[in-house]
Amino acid sequence: SQQGEEDPQALSIQEGENATMNCSYKTSINNLQWYRQNSGRGLVHLILIRSNEREKHSGRLRVTLDTSKKSSSLLITASRAADTASYFCATDHSGTYKYIFGTGTRLKVLA
Amino acid sequence: GAVVSQHPSRVICKSGTSVKIECRSLDFQATTMFWYRQFPKQSLMLMATSNEGSKATYEQGVEKDKFLINHASLTLSTLTVTSAHPEDSSFYICSARTGQGNTEAFFGQGTRLTVV
Repeated sequence: SQQGEEDPQALSIQEGENATMNCSYKTSINNLQWYRQNSGRGLVHLILIRSNEREKHSGRLRVTLDTSKKSSSLLITASRAADTASYFCATDHSGTYKYIFGTGTRLKVLA
Repeated sequence: GAVVSQHPSRVICKSGTSVKIECRSLDFQATTMFWYRQFPKQSLMLMATSNEGSKATYEQGVEKDKFLINHASLTLSTLTVTSAHPEDSSFYICSARTGQGNTEAFFGQGTRLTVV
């Protein structure tokens, strides 16, 4: 399977703490995106990072990409209860142009 | 960002019937659309890739005769679940992109299919 792996599978933290999620993938990519999904709902796009970029920020989100290790991380700083959701990375594979999703991390932020 | 509209958002059907789900790109031309399926508490699994005017490419293990995909125009792709069974109950999400390479993919809001 091409599917990427994410860890941890589940993460429970207190409000105000930082949350870090990691994504690893298997083949060369054009870009990598992070999405949030609230239970039973659609996907919300968070950040796109291209293969020639190493770090991007958006508000409380920080994404890094290490193409040599085929891995990415998503950091959410000063977490809030509203950040409770599942987070997925999706990789755009070179050559096939398919978006393949990681296994996801279920984040729970306790108020 | 660009908008992808998926319809219906929810559908309940009886076993043995067929259901059609539409995916439209509202403000851009989508040369490629993707269909995903998501079971509860699981990730999105790619089912097939469709390019306008050509046959869809199905991922391994996905029955092309059960999940009919038509991408008749640059703004519309449809997924028809034929002879639906309860095990087909799932969340189906489409995605569209404007081109290949370093272009972003835009996702519909998903369709929750329940087969009774």
